[in-house]
Order: sequence, then C-alpha cells, then structure tokens
Amino acid sequence: EPEVTQTPSHQVTQMGQEVILRCVPISNHLYFYWYRQILGQKVEFLVSFYNNEISEKSEIFDDQFSVERPDGSNFTLKIRSTKLEDSAMYFCADGQENTDTQYFGPGTRLTVL
Amino acid sequence: AQSVTQPDIHITVSEGASLELRCNYSYGATPYLFWYVQSPGQGLQLLLKYFSGDTLVQGIKGFEAEFKRSQSSFNLRKPSVHWSDAAEYFCAVAVQGAQKLVFGQGTRLTINP
Repeated sequence: EPEVTQTPSHQVTQMGQEVILRCVPISNHLYFYWYRQILGQKVEFLVSFYNNEISEKSEIFDDQFSVERPDGSNFTLKIRSTKLEDSAMYFCADGQENTDTQYFGPGTRLTVL
Repeated sequence: AQSVTQPDIHITVSEGASLELRCNYSYGATPYLFWYVQSPGQGLQLLLKYFSGDTLVQGIKGFEAEFKRSQSSFNLRKPSVHWSDAAEYFCAVAVQGAQKLVFGQGTRLTINP
C-alpha cells in the first residue's frame, strides 16, 4: 500500500539555522499539507498546498516558513531561521480531493538547540 | 471557529474490556469527522471517517464510531481492547470547503494486562 514518506526522521539544528523537511507524497495525490505537534500538545495545521500554490495557511505559518514542490514529487517545508519554539514533530499529509481523507507521513522530529 | 474537544486526556482499561473515547466538536454544519491513532514514535494512522450516510461507521482494527448530530459527538468504541491498542487517539474535524484538519488534544490509552 502506498505511503507518505518523510526525511529525515530526526533533525537537530542550531537556533538561527535554516532547515528543510522533505516529504514524498503518494503519487496520484494532489493536495498536500504540513502539520506540527509540539511535545505534549495537539496536532496543529500549518499550511495546505494545491496546484503549486498555498491554498490556506495558519497564523503559525509566518514569513519564516515556506513550502514548495521543487520537482513534482517531493514536497518540502523550509524554516528560514529556526527558533527554539520551532522544536516539534512535523507531519506531512496528502489527499486526493479537498477535505477527503488525509494520509499522514511518519513525521520529522525537529530539535532546535 | 471550529473546535474539537476530547474530554479525557488519559484512559486506562484492562485488556479485553470495552472502550469508549469521547469526542465533541463545535461547528455550525455537519463536518467531516475522523479518528486517527498514533503509536509511540509513529505517525498518524486513520482509523475511520464519517462524511455522510450511516451514522455508525466501522474502521480498522475493530474500531467503530457513532456520529450523533444532536450531541455534536463522534465517540470511538471498541468492544474488547487488545494490548496493542495502547496509543494516543486523536479526533479531528474537516470543515467543508476548507483544507485543514482541526484536531482534539488527544486521549492517551493505556491497557492493563
């Protein structure tokens, strides 16, 4: 069964550094999402992406964040200058249709020191 | 704004006992409803979903959930739990026309042998 994959599984970075989290969605899915889960808290929506554009973003998704689909398969989340409070588990998800089921990847644990 | 409440942060049940995890949502219309499970160190796996039709939905691993419009609830049930069901369970809502899932804070399930 096809799965969403994410790399790396764990990323440790210094505050102020840029990080890129990568996701490979399921091949025929067209809607892409990023969520994050700070330790002990609920899963929070960051951004949705369709047809090479951001369709919706949350207040968390400020100018430090960006997403792109550089090669038609990978879907990336970039954090330009990481802060301590960016430490969280970041989940990529995808779906075939708007508001249909979203399939989640295993997550990337980001630790900012 | 829509919200999801899972009143129980932590539930402990004995193996073989029945289980009910509560979920209430706040939204003016009927949303799409989901239950996801997260095992330690793992991503979010979809257990079941409700979009329309029969209000009792069956999912994987022997789980079911019932949508009750009058109570704005979507409680998850299992008649007999197994030790492998120990995990964190998340209820989520998708608003029609939007592209994000709104999650509850999760219920951690512990199984006693």
